[in-house]
Amino acid sequence: KQEVTQIPAALSVPEGENLVLNCSFTDSAIYNLQWFRQDPGKGLTSLLLIQSSQREQTSGRLNASLDKSSGRSTLYIAASQPGDSATYLCAVRPGQNFVFGPGTRLSVLP
Amino acid sequence: GAVVSQHPSWVICKSGTSVKIECRSLDFQATTMFWYRQFPKQSLMLMATSNEGSKATYEQGVEKDKFLINHASLTLSTLTVTSAHPEDSSFYICSGLSAGDMNTEAFFGQGTRLTVV
Repeated sequence: KQEVTQIPAALSVPEGENLVLNCSFTDSAIYNLQWFRQDPGKGLTSLLLIQSSQREQTSGRLNASLDKSSGRSTLYIAASQPGDSATYLCAVRPGQNFVFGPGTRLSVLP
Repeated sequence: GAVVSQHPSWVICKSGTSVKIECRSLDFQATTMFWYRQFPKQSLMLMATSNEGSKATYEQGVEKDKFLINHASLTLSTLTVTSAHPEDSSFYICSGLSAGDMNTEAFFGQGTRLTVV
């Protein structure tokens, strides 16, 4: 059974810092991995999608890497801003549906 | 990107009543839709998978008679919480998938906050 974990569970940093969020999954048989952002009481916003054959994807200040063999992905956020404060979820797709991690709650302090 | 519209965004209902949540794919045909539930400070847990024109497949522990899912068209799926109880209070999110398209981004609805009083 696929399980996804995320470290840290919560993170508080001052504005401007670069930071790394970690995601681990137990079964490397996945189609892709996706990072989402969730604001309190809201739905999911897709940030980056990495196919199983890819190593990384970049969008603006965000960079996500994937090491499928070791079951790990990282989300790198450069020059963090208060508007980045949210919960970040990673999810892997072993089949049709997604298996989500518990999320990392990020607070960027002005 | 593709848009999935979920309605209502929040609802409060009395215990024992039923509530229907709608999920629409606005610019693509969703042959498969997923319904997730999220309790406070927890991650999303898959409740059921529905394929257009077929009965939904429920995850273990999810009561199919309580959470009725209908996916009668390629653009609309509904989740009805029947005889709701306070423990059903949660955040419900749907997601749509095009036919056989497991390599593309998944798009999610905005979620529905259900509070049963």
